[in-house]
Amino acid sequence: KNEVEQSPQNLTAQEGEFITINCSYSVGISALHWLQQHPGGGIVSLFMLSSGKKKHGRLIATINIQEKHSSLHITASHPRDSAVYICAVHTGNQFYFGTGTSLTVIP
Amino acid sequence: GAVVSQHPSWVICKSGTSVKIECRSLDFQATTMFWYRQFPKQSLMLMATSNEGSKATYEQGVEKDKFLINHASLTLSTLTVTSAHPEDSSFYICSAPTSGRAGTDTQYFGPGTRLTVL
Repeated sequence: KNEVEQSPQNLTAQEGEFITINCSYSVGISALHWLQQHPGGGIVSLFMLSSGKKKHGRLIATINIQEKHSSLHITASHPRDSAVYICAVHTGNQFYFGTGTSLTVIP
Repeated sequence: GAVVSQHPSWVICKSGTSVKIECRSLDFQATTMFWYRQFPKQSLMLMATSNEGSKATYEQGVEKDKFLINHASLTLSTLTVTSAHPEDSSFYICSAPTSGRAGTDTQYFGPGTRLTVL
């Protein structure tokens, strides 16, 4: 069993839709990261969370430490949001990565 | 924002040769850098943590004699794939936190190096 599980694995949405990607983890963490990887391979760090909620533009990330669960929301999705979204946790000693959610937003 | 570069962006080499990949923090000092490997359609796999001025820490299953890491300065870490074989073909990525607080800080990622071993 993976320490970090993401769902869904693949997601197709129409432009403008509200999107949610989920991440559950089974280890104690000091931080959770949401990463975005574009088709060319480049990775951008979207959020680093240890509690609560963060918002940046159309992106919102939440984390529930008790439930060991985080969500990434995209409001008013756009084709340029098409990418792979990766959830990663750091335990204080080690990184664990989810397998990623591949998002395609159709115009 | 902070910028991390990698060189080369892609490399093709013959089996048995060694390949060096550089990771540089361009506008900040990085006492810690992370090296990852990503196979097609798979997620990132952390290979090792590179520490300036000391030995790298390797993840379980990663051969330290095959993947040599040198973090000689606060802005440069290198990964050398020694005696590369086709199964080493992969996308290699580095990242660095600006504060040096390992995984509990925002990571800035390099653009990656695609290695193909013939």
